[in-house]
Amino acid sequence: DIQMTQSPSSLSASVGDRVTITCRASQGISNYLAWYQQKPGEVPKLLIYAASTLQSGVTSRFSGSGSGTDFTLTISSLQPEDVATYYCQKYNSAPFTFGPGTKVDIK
Amino acid sequence: EEQLVESGGGLVQPGGSLRLSCAASGFIVSTNYMNWVRQAPGKGLEWVSVIYTGGTTYYADSVKGRFTISRDYSKNTLYLQMNSLRDEDTAVYYCAKGRGNSGPFFSWGQGTLVTVSS
Repeated sequence: DIQMTQSPSSLSASVGDRVTITCRASQGISNYLAWYQQKPGEVPKLLIYAASTLQSGVTSRFSGSGSGTDFTLTISSLQPEDVATYYCQKYNSAPFTFGPGTKVDIK
Repeated sequence: EEQLVESGGGLVQPGGSLRLSCAASGFIVSTNYMNWVRQAPGKGLEWVSVIYTGGTTYYADSVKGRFTISRDYSKNTLYLQMNSLRDEDTAVYYCAKGRGNSGPFFSWGQGTLVTVSS
């Protein structure tokens, strides 16, 4: 099975900073990669799919890129409401493995 | 508006069984691929199982042979039958919906907590 890794596992940044999270698949998954945001106590929310397509209603502060095995999620200007854990997920075929998550908070 | 509402969670002893339900509204369960995802307390997301529109199912290795995913057309509901439960199955269980027979999980339920403990 394909394994998903994320880095860093956590980060602390200032409001307005540009934040980048990396996700790596152990084998190529083309662009079958999604990013989810989970705020404390809330249900996961789809942010980006097909590696770079912004889900409807999601702020354009979020962007995604990558293909094959290496992907990034970027927050262009970190805001207090972005405090959350971010997960990547492969969905090309079962098992639909999630990455271990990256916890983002405000410095 | 699409909505998913899970139920059936609770406290169960190790070795016991539980059936989770996910009632859907605003769309037809059988025309979309449906999944169960779980999250142990303080941990990350773990995909558990999928049922495709044609009825094909897959399971995570951690639950294979113990859990069964199914759906009821008349009730528009997804189920997860969990047998031989272990302490490590303790988690919030979410149902999640794709679109058609592929894709990311666009919609999620609010989750139901399963606690396995003696």
